[in-house]
Amino acid sequence: DIQMTQSPSTLSASVGDRVTITCRASQSISRWLAWYQQKPGKAPKLLISRASSLESGVPSRFSGSGSETEFTLTISSLQPDDFATYYCQQYNNVFHTFGQGTKLEIK
Amino acid sequence: EVQLVESGGGLVQPGRSLRLSCAASGFKFDVYGMHWVRQVPGKGLEWVSGISWNSGKIGYADSVKGRFTISRDNAKNSLYLQMNSLTSADSAFYYCAKAYGDSYYYYMDVWGKGTTVTVSS
Repeated sequence: DIQMTQSPSTLSASVGDRVTITCRASQSISRWLAWYQQKPGKAPKLLISRASSLESGVPSRFSGSGSETEFTLTISSLQPDDFATYYCQQYNNVFHTFGQGTKLEIK
Repeated sequence: EVQLVESGGGLVQPGRSLRLSCAASGFKFDVYGMHWVRQVPGKGLEWVSGISWNSGKIGYADSVKGRFTISRDNAKNSLYLQMNSLTSADSAFYYCAKAYGDSYYYYMDVWGKGTTVTVSS
């Protein structure tokens, strides 16, 4: 199976900060990567697909980049609504796998 | 509005079975792949199983292969997960999710709110 490793596991930041979350795949997944946001008690919400394609309705402060084995999710200017847990997910392999999550906390 | 509503969760004893259902609405169910994803409270997401639009392609995580069976009834706009030989490791919140395309090879673009499965004596 393809392993997905996110870093950091926890990130403390303030409103207005620019933050970056990294996701590394154990083997090349081309650009078959999605990012999700999950808030406590809620289902995950799709933010980005195909590594960098922003879903309709997702604020433009979110962006994704990368290919092969290294990917990033960047939030250009944190808003109060952005404090949540973020997951990457590969769909290059039929056995979908998720990263362990990055919890974005208020500093 | 695209909506997925899971049901069928609950408390079950180890070794017993449970069947989850997912009712879909607001989109043409019979052209999209579907997934089940689970999450232990406080932990990460784990893909469980996926099925293509016509049930022609089906996949399972190694952790559930041979015990869980995914199926769908396109006439009823419904997805199912039959879970047998349950263990405490299967205790989790189970989400139904729509695939972006016609097979489960695609990512999940819409998620239900989930249903809780607790395996305990």
